[in-house]
Amino acid sequence: QKEVEQNSGPLSVPEGAIASLNCTYSDRGSQSFFWYRQYSGKSPELIMSIYSNGDKEDGRFTAQLNKASQYVSLLIRDSQPSDSATYLCAVRQAGTALIFGKGTTLSVSS
Amino acid sequence: DTGVSQDPRHKITKRGQNVTFRCDPISEHNRLYWYRQTLGQGPEFLTYFQNEAQLEKSRLLSDRFSAERPKGSFSTLEIQRTEQGDSAMYLCASIQTGGDTGELFFGEGSRLTVL
Repeated sequence: QKEVEQNSGPLSVPEGAIASLNCTYSDRGSQSFFWYRQYSGKSPELIMSIYSNGDKEDGRFTAQLNKASQYVSLLIRDSQPSDSATYLCAVRQAGTALIFGKGTTLSVSS
Repeated sequence: DTGVSQDPRHKITKRGQNVTFRCDPISEHNRLYWYRQTLGQGPEFLTYFQNEAQLEKSRLLSDRFSAERPKGSFSTLEIQRTEQGDSAMYLCASIQTGGDTGELFFGEGSRLTVL
């Protein structure tokens, strides 16, 4: 059974702070890792993808991958109220479906 | 270019009735996915197609559920003899395999309410 685990939250941070979101996965054969953001009542949208160990930065977002620990994280720097949403971790092994975690709800207070 | 389109957006039905949802993916995308999402949960994988071939089905997809993609373009998801537990948002997503980002493009979803 392929599983992706996330702390459901809510995670509350003040505006301007760093938000740290974490995810673990069970399938060691997983090759592709994604973070999606989902606003209430909307569909998920891709924020970051990461395929190799280490950090990947895109603007205020940094994704981190550690395959040995089966761990993926997302850091959001200078958090804004508009970042308030549910963040979904998703994992895919080659040739199979994308499996999502339950999501972590982030609340950024102004 | 239009995005992924789903129809209907909302469906209210009585228990025991059959319902069908349609998904039109982005035109050049060869892979199409169906997910189900309930409140407070992430999208749960149901099934996916590569062109017209159904390549994988989740154990969540009971024999009351059937999906087709007859010409490798649009897809339908049918639920027979609906139950209250089928109430959820049904999301369709598409992707062009071999793309750089691996991004799934989601439709707005079809919300099903079973009374």
